[in-house]
This record gives sequence, C-alpha cells and structure tokens, in this order.
Amino acid sequence: KQEVTQIPAALSVPEGENLVLNCSFTDSAIYNLQWFRQDPGKGLTSLLLIQSSQREQTSGRLNASLDKSSGRSTLYIAASQPGDSATYLCAVGFGDSNYQLIWGAGTKLIIKP
Amino acid sequence: DTEVTQTPKHLVMGMTNKKSLKCEQHMGHRAMYWYKQKAKKPPELMFVYSYEKLSINESVPSRFSPECPNSSLLNLHLHALQPEDSALYLCASSRPPGQGQETQYFGPGTRLLVL
Repeated sequence: KQEVTQIPAALSVPEGENLVLNCSFTDSAIYNLQWFRQDPGKGLTSLLLIQSSQREQTSGRLNASLDKSSGRSTLYIAASQPGDSATYLCAVGFGDSNYQLIWGAGTKLIIKP
Repeated sequence: DTEVTQTPKHLVMGMTNKKSLKCEQHMGHRAMYWYKQKAKKPPELMFVYSYEKLSINESVPSRFSPECPNSSLLNLHLHALQPEDSALYLCASSRPPGQGQETQYFGPGTRLLVL
C-alpha cells in the first residue's frame, strides 16, 4: 500500500531564507508526483508536477526534485517571502486504470517578516 | 482559463435536508474528482469520473450521490447527512492519465456544516 510522509509537519523560518520541504513515499511505481499549496480555508493550488521519468521541475523560486529509487522528493523554496506562508502538500499519482493521488499530511510553513 | 468553480461557497444543512454541490470547469478536462477535507488533514478522495463515467468510488456512504451530467459539470447530491460529514468539499479536474499532464486543478471548495 502506497504511503506518503512529509517532514517536517511544521516549519517557521525568517524571511529571505532558502528552505527545503521533504516528501517520501513507500512504493516507487508512481505515475507522477505533485506539490500543492493550500492557504487556510481555501482550495489547493498546483505548484509543480514531476512525471516519473523526470528528475526535477522548476517554476520561479520553486524547484522540485524526484528520486524514485529512494522514494523521495524535495521542494526547494528560494528567498522565502511572507506570502509563501501556507501548507504545502505532496501527492503521489498512483495506479493506471484507477489513477488517483495519495496524499502526504502536509508541511505548515510560516515565513516570519 | 484554469479555473474550477464551485457553488455554493458555504452550506449549512440539517440532517434531514437534501442539497447539492456543484462544480464546473471549461478546460476540456475529462477527469473530475470529489474530495472531502477535514481541518488540518489532507484531502480524502471520494469519487472519480473519467469521460463522464464513475471510475472510482472510495467506499463512500450512499448519502453522498455523485452525478456527472456532461464533461464540464460535476454534482454531489447530499441527503440525510450526519454532523461528522461537516468538512470542506473540494472538486478538481484534470486530463485523464496517459495524456502527459495530469495536474489536478482544484476549486475553492464548499464549506459544509451539518447540524
């Protein structure tokens, strides 16, 4: 059974720091991996999607990497800003005919001005 | 346009009421999803529609009844809900798997309170 874990559960850093959020999964037979952001009481915003054949994806100050063999992904945020404060969720795309996302519990990120 | 819309934004209902949640997208996506999310938890998948056919039902109680009238619309009919069904209900859409990008686009959700 695929399980997704995110560490740490919460992180508080001063503005301007570079930071890394971690995601690990137990079954390497994934379709893809997605990182999402969720602001309190809101829906989810897709940040990056990495296909299983890819090693990384970049969007602005965000860089996500994928190492399927070790079952790990990282989300790197450069030059953090208070507006980056949110919960970040990692989700693994799993299954072919019954494709669905298996979710981590999220990392709550607070960027202090 | 990468928008998924959901109505209503908030809903309060009694345990004997019947109500419906609506979701709409105009991105040409042929996969649509209903999720339930409790506070401080990740989303839980409820239903998946692929090409307007129900493809996944995650053992959801029959008091939740999904409907996909066409490729742009997804409804969730609610009847005889319990207080523990209070949650944020999220709709999402994507291209079906195998078409390259399966990024799921989420709506803002309907905040449901069952009294």
